[in-house]
Amino acid sequence: DTGVSQDPRHKITKRGQNVTFRCDPISEHNRLYWYRQTLGQGPEFLTYFQNEAQLEKSRLLSDRFSAERPKGSFSTLEIQRTEQGDSAMYLCASSSWGNQPQHFGDGTRLSIL
Amino acid sequence: AQKITQTQPGMFVQEKEAVTLDCTYDTSDPSYGLFWYKQPSSGEMIFLIYQGSYDQQNATEGRYSLNFQKARKSANLVISASQLGDSAMYFCAMREGVVQGAQKLVFGQGTRLTINP
Repeated sequence: DTGVSQDPRHKITKRGQNVTFRCDPISEHNRLYWYRQTLGQGPEFLTYFQNEAQLEKSRLLSDRFSAERPKGSFSTLEIQRTEQGDSAMYLCASSSWGNQPQHFGDGTRLSIL
Repeated sequence: AQKITQTQPGMFVQEKEAVTLDCTYDTSDPSYGLFWYKQPSSGEMIFLIYQGSYDQQNATEGRYSLNFQKARKSANLVISASQLGDSAMYFCAMREGVVQGAQKLVFGQGTRLTINP
């Protein structure tokens, strides 16, 4: 049983560049979530998919952020025109139906130069 | 208003002792779930234990138990017989409601637990 997989693990980029992260959930999970975690803080919710439908987005998800889950399997999170404040750990999680817990990937750490 | 409050930024415990990590929450929704996650220095978030608002008994999972006091809105994590590998950040989180779309977790600030040999 493979867990949630995120790629890349680390991303260093210059301010103003676009970046894209990928998340592969646990195969039987139909729910997928993105969170952002800054140093010393708990994760903050960004967005949530049920199958391919994006059902909830946080106000934290500005126009520069877009997330997709085109076939209800893997998901991508793109940040356009990155800013210093985007530096954080981006966590992906997945879960199945009901009250099952969300299982997290190892995260992608983004550093903006 | 902050929905999850963890008042202990850091805790230091001797190996083999029991430790209680505090968590209080705020919600007006009668249906909610409470979760504890462990985050070692390597960064991954590891699910530990879950308590539903309608569960009659406190949740237990191996050395982990959840002291759920609904009237006081607290959901403290108890780790028995602590081990050096328990050293990590611990996050309490809440999910409100069971309606479509209400699936996000709201996390507390975390407690850094250090187990001393």
